[in-house]
Amino acid sequence: SQQGEEDPQALSIQEGENATMNCSYKTSINNLQWYRQNSGRGLVHLILIRSNEREKHSGRLRVTLDTSKKSSSLLITASRAADTASYFCATDRAGRRALTFGSGTRLQVQP
Amino acid sequence: GAVVSQHPSRVICKSGTSVKIECRSLDFQATTMFWYRQFPKQSLMLMATSNEGSKATYEQGVEKDKFLINHASLTLSTLTVTSAHPEDSSFYICSARPPREGGDTQYFGPGTRLTVL
Repeated sequence: SQQGEEDPQALSIQEGENATMNCSYKTSINNLQWYRQNSGRGLVHLILIRSNEREKHSGRLRVTLDTSKKSSSLLITASRAADTASYFCATDRAGRRALTFGSGTRLQVQP
Repeated sequence: GAVVSQHPSRVICKSGTSVKIECRSLDFQATTMFWYRQFPKQSLMLMATSNEGSKATYEQGVEKDKFLINHASLTLSTLTVTSAHPEDSSFYICSARPPREGGDTQYFGPGTRLTVL
C-alpha cells in the first residue's frame, strides 16, 4: 500500500531557481530513495539516503532525512528546463524488499 | 550498473485478450522481482512480488488469477494480464534487486505501456 505523501503535488519555477520537494512516510525504514520520471518514461534513480544519515549531496541535489519526523526533502539547486519531470520518494522498509512510493511531485521548470 | 529490460515497451490490444510482459535482469541473477503498476498521473503501486521457484506474493486487492506471474528462471519474470479490459490500461514496471547481502539498490525496467481498447 502507498505510504508516502509528497508535497507539493505540483511545482512550477523559473530556470535558475531552486526546487524543494518534501516526502513524509509512516513506518520505520532502512533507507529512502528519490527517483525522477519523465512523462511516460521509466524511473531514473537519483539518490539514496540511509536511515542513519541526515543529509546527502549529489551534484545539484541535496537530500535530507529526519527519521524522528519521518520526512525527507529533495532540493534541486539552479534548476534547468531539463529537470522538468515527476519526482518520487520511495522507502525501503525492514522486512519488505519492495519499495513503497510516495505520491510524487510534478516539477515544471520554465526556461 | 545493472540493467533490467522489459518487453514489449508498448502494447495495444483488444478487450478480452491476454498480454504477456517479460522482465529480464541482464547481468545479475534475481531470485526476487517486483511488478508495479502506474496509472496516469499517479504513483507506482506494488502489485506483486515474483519469487523464483515459488508462487508470487500479491498485494491486497490485486487479483492473482487475472495477473499471472511466472518466475521461470533467475533472470526472467513474466506478467500475464489475462482477459484484459480497458481499466487494465496502465504503465507496468518491473524491478529487481541483486542478491548481494545488504544491497540497497533496486533496478527498474523501462516499463510497458498497455492500452486495452
